[in-house]
Amino acid sequence: AQSVTQPDIHITVSEGASLELRCNYSYGATPYLFWYVQSPGQGLQLLLKYFSGDTLVQGIKGFEAEFKRSQSSFNLRKPSVHWSDAAEYFCAVGEGYKLSFGAGTTVTVRA
Amino acid sequence: EAQVTQNPRYLITVTGKKLTVTCSQNMNHEYMSWYRQDPGLGLRQIYYSMNVEVTDKGDVPEGYKVSRKEKRNFPLILESPSPNQTSLYFCASSLEMSWSETQYFGPGTRLLVL
Repeated sequence: AQSVTQPDIHITVSEGASLELRCNYSYGATPYLFWYVQSPGQGLQLLLKYFSGDTLVQGIKGFEAEFKRSQSSFNLRKPSVHWSDAAEYFCAVGEGYKLSFGAGTTVTVRA
Repeated sequence: EAQVTQNPRYLITVTGKKLTVTCSQNMNHEYMSWYRQDPGLGLRQIYYSMNVEVTDKGDVPEGYKVSRKEKRNFPLILESPSPNQTSLYFCASSLEMSWSETQYFGPGTRLLVL
């Protein structure tokens, strides 16, 4: 069994400031990890994914994530947030034939 | 344009009235799946299909049916909808069932069951 926890339900960040979204997973084997973004009224878009190798993964839109096995974490970061980054972000783990998603973190960007 | 389409995008119905939400992809993908999204719960898988005529239950299949008669289509059927099936539904597809393959999500169908 595996689960994904996103501890922060909602984060507010100023435009231009850095952003970090937390994700913890519980999974026995090497996980397949993903971050998705959902803009208002839109479907899900893949930001980045990790399977193996370099633990720092670069994604689209200037996002990156770091896999830390010792902490069972896969946190998402962006150095400088733009207003268009306001959205809901989902961390997910792939196992078997499905993705298991966290509950999501809503990001609000203030001017 | 490569895409996953869903219809309808919005639907209001009443308890017990059968409905079908269609999902279609134009990428010749083998793997397709349905998720529902509820506040505070993220997305949960309802059903998935590895290929034509091959379907299986996900985490929350109760009250839903699916079929996969053609590779491109994967409709979700609610035989007798109930208010607890009010949700946002997403269809997804990938070339095959491998996590190295990107899953593409449709735009979602918002369903309200009165």
